[in-house]
Amino acid sequence: AQSVAQPEDQVNVAEGNPLTVKCTYSVSGNPYLFWYVQYPNRGLQFLLKYITGDNLVKGSYGFEAEFNKSQTSFHLKKPSALVSDSALYFCAVRVAGAGSYQLTFGKGTKLSVIP
Amino acid sequence: EAGVVQSPRYKIIEKKQPVAFWCNPISGHNTLYWYLQNLGQGPELLIRYENEEAVDDSQLPKDRFSAERLKGVDSTLKIQPAELGDSAVYLCASSFDGYTGELFFGEGSRLTVL
Repeated sequence: AQSVAQPEDQVNVAEGNPLTVKCTYSVSGNPYLFWYVQYPNRGLQFLLKYITGDNLVKGSYGFEAEFNKSQTSFHLKKPSALVSDSALYFCAVRVAGAGSYQLTFGKGTKLSVIP
Repeated sequence: EAGVVQSPRYKIIEKKQPVAFWCNPISGHNTLYWYLQNLGQGPELLIRYENEEAVDDSQLPKDRFSAERLKGVDSTLKIQPAELGDSAVYLCASSFDGYTGELFFGEGSRLTVL
């Protein structure tokens, strides 16, 4: 079975400071990893993904994430937080391999950027 | 380009009543998903379509839930009869490449069952 853990229900950060939203995963095999963001009363929007290659992936709105296989982590980062980054962030994992389409989401982390 | 369109955005019904949600995916996306999102939780897959074929419906409660995707484009998710525990947001998503590609989500249909 595959799973995603987002250990922090909420993360607070001051505007202009760096932010990190944590994600760890568990899969039987190699992972495909995704980050999505959800603004209030909206659907989820794709931010970035790791499929293969460089462990540091860059995505939308200045976000990036680092795949760490030994720690089974895929933390989301941004060098300088904006108030508009305040939203709900979801990490998701799918196991790489033919025929595997099941995408499992974490419970989400609420990010609040304080002006 | 239009995104994934869902309707209605909000629905309030009495328990035991039927309800239906509609989804129009992004043009050219052959894979369509219905997800359930409870408050404070991540989305959980209900059903996945490849064109008009339901290829993964293992999480769909088939005693009261049904879905269809006629002609491989629009899709409808139905609940009959609705129960109090069905109150949630029902998200539709589509993707061009269901394996490595990202999903594009609609804004969701929020159901309240009284």
